[in-house]
Amino acid sequence: QVVLTQSPSASASLGASVRLTCTLDSGHTTYAIAWHQQQPQKGPRFLMKLNSDGSHNKGDGIPDRFAGSTSGAERYLTISRLQSDDEAVYYCQTWGTGMRVFGGGTQLTVL
Amino acid sequence: DVQLVDSGGGLVQTGGSLRLSCAATGFSVSSRYMCWVRQAPGKGLEWVSVIYGAETTYYANSVKGRFTISRDNSKNTLYLQMNSLRVEDTAMYYCAREYGLTSAWYIEYWGQGTQVTVSS
Repeated sequence: QVVLTQSPSASASLGASVRLTCTLDSGHTTYAIAWHQQQPQKGPRFLMKLNSDGSHNKGDGIPDRFAGSTSGAERYLTISRLQSDDEAVYYCQTWGTGMRVFGGGTQLTVL
Repeated sequence: DVQLVDSGGGLVQTGGSLRLSCAATGFSVSSRYMCWVRQAPGKGLEWVSVIYGAETTYYANSVKGRFTISRDNSKNTLYLQMNSLRVEDTAMYYCAREYGLTSAWYIEYWGQGTQVTVSS
């Protein structure tokens, strides 16, 4: 069973940048993941698929302010030029035959 | 444009049943991987079930034997039949479409969700 670990919370100032981390367990460090955003009182929205080599494919209409990168077992989501509506919970997700796994989510606060 | 509209949620007593529906437009549910994900109040996302191909299905251990995922290709609709409901099944249920190509089974489209509340 794959385990994805995310910090419960993060914060950054309006207009600044923030990097969120999703860590794969040691047995699954080459897995690709996806990032999803859930704004308050809304359903989730797909942001991007992020491969182990750092390449990524974004969802429809996702701005360039959102970028993905990779280092070993860690998968990152960097948000630049933070806006107030970036305040949300960000989930990572991975998959395998017969299973789909989500990280616990990171609550991003924009100060 | 791809759109998923979830419906069928409601209040039900412990041990009862409910069927959720997800009406899809902009693509055919028969040709894509489709899944259900739920979110208990104040909690994170939990995968529930997936269906693809010629009715291949998988379930989370927490719902195996009680929930059944299916689809009606003529109505282009995905379903989740939920039986023997428990209080811990209380959640917002989201229908979702997975990318599904080249073994990349990540969710790329989400429905708006339908609330299921199980009371004792």
